[in-house]
Amino acid sequence: GAVVSQHPSRVICKSGTSVKIECRSLDFQATTMFWYRQFPKQSLMLMATSNEGSKATYEQGVEKDKFLINHASLTLSTLTVTSAHPEDSSFYICSARPPPLPEQYFGPGTRLTVT
Amino acid sequence: DQQVKQNSPSLSVQEGRISILNCDYTNSMFDYFLWYKKYPAEGPTFLISISSIKDKNEDGRFTVFLNKSAKHLSLHIVPSQPGDSAVYFCAAAYGGNKLTFGTGTQLKVEL
Repeated sequence: GAVVSQHPSRVICKSGTSVKIECRSLDFQATTMFWYRQFPKQSLMLMATSNEGSKATYEQGVEKDKFLINHASLTLSTLTVTSAHPEDSSFYICSARPPPLPEQYFGPGTRLTVT
Repeated sequence: DQQVKQNSPSLSVQEGRISILNCDYTNSMFDYFLWYKKYPAEGPTFLISISSIKDKNEDGRFTVFLNKSAKHLSLHIVPSQPGDSAVYFCAAAYGGNKLTFGTGTQLKVEL
């Protein structure tokens, strides 16, 4: 159980365009999902907490207008990188937490490359 | 401010021996600790967790030890297998909220 999927697994886009990444919990309902970013050889950096039916909570330093998060249902959260720039190229990973424990289960990640 | 630290960036162990990965934290509010395993270009995989009310939790080859007074936890893998080679992250949480991750330790299990 506790399977999380992410789509797409890899995307290449041109600078200035927007990209949407989907995160789904496949076998449980998640009122809370999380979005992380990982730079090469670094730890996972939490970007935001996605709450079903309400606004996402962004970490300090993360631009909410650039990284749009929507959690429209108990099994789906989306991250849209707007007006992407090469510095947004990174590995984006989502996670979901089946209540009531704190364990988060992660998706396989999305490699974004902005050219 | 790195609240969760893994001071060893890498560890090399022979197959069949014990792997010990260490993690230190500074925030005394943390009440739940987790270990994740990660392969390149994949999401982390949950391994084992421990609540602050316990000092040990075991699951198969994996055992996590928690020393609250020292703000230290460790993951023991025995016996180590080549498939265990990966990056291991410890993480901490309080109040069931967001996780704070350590910097990771690259484990290499050699034949």
